[in-house]
Amino acid sequence: SAVISQKPSRDICQRGTSLTIQCQVDSQVTMMFWYRQQPGQSLTLIATANQGSEATYESGFVIDKFPISRPNLTFSTLTVSNMSPEDSSIYLCSVTIPGKGGGYTFGSGTRLTVV
Amino acid sequence: AQSVTQLDSHVSVSEGTPVLLRCNYSSSYSPSLFWYVQHPNKGLQLLLKYTSAATLVKGINGFEAEFKKSETSFHLTKPSAHMSDAAEYFCVVTNDYKLSFGAGTTVTVRA
Repeated sequence: SAVISQKPSRDICQRGTSLTIQCQVDSQVTMMFWYRQQPGQSLTLIATANQGSEATYESGFVIDKFPISRPNLTFSTLTVSNMSPEDSSIYLCSVTIPGKGGGYTFGSGTRLTVV
Repeated sequence: AQSVTQLDSHVSVSEGTPVLLRCNYSSSYSPSLFWYVQHPNKGLQLLLKYTSAATLVKGINGFEAEFKKSETSFHLTKPSAHMSDAAEYFCVVTNDYKLSFGAGTTVTVRA
């Protein structure tokens, strides 16, 4: 399975600022996914990022708030913009490699606290 | 459309006794199903997956799950719980490439 390096692992940010989270994969993947896990909650898909095209956002998430870049097949960033305390969550990236048994690999997550 | 319902938000077992985590799914097409575990302050780890092969799926650390289409269930079991099994468990369904997570089941293991 793929190995994902996600950073930062955690950060404490002031409200109104932005944070960019990076995910680096050790193999080329077509689709990368970004999830949010609010405190004590399950994971919710934010968007799907394909290389060379704009990300596809799920209901309730917009590009202005969560801009995503996907410059190549091994890298993606998610920015949390104009942060408020409600954005305090764990953010995770994920990939799947077709033909590799159908499993999904997750990054270790970024624990964001907005104060 | 797809969704997952984990029937128990908390499960408490004694060490050495069986563990049962219940999951029901809804999917318009033949789904793929997964169980993931999340230990405190750790990332998500895949326990096992069902992708239309054998209905009884064996995973890591002694866990297994059975896919029952007639009951739309994918319950996770382990015959003997260990203290290290204390964690959050997520049942996950997909029929395309988007994952839908259940709300999670917190497992506590009593010594």
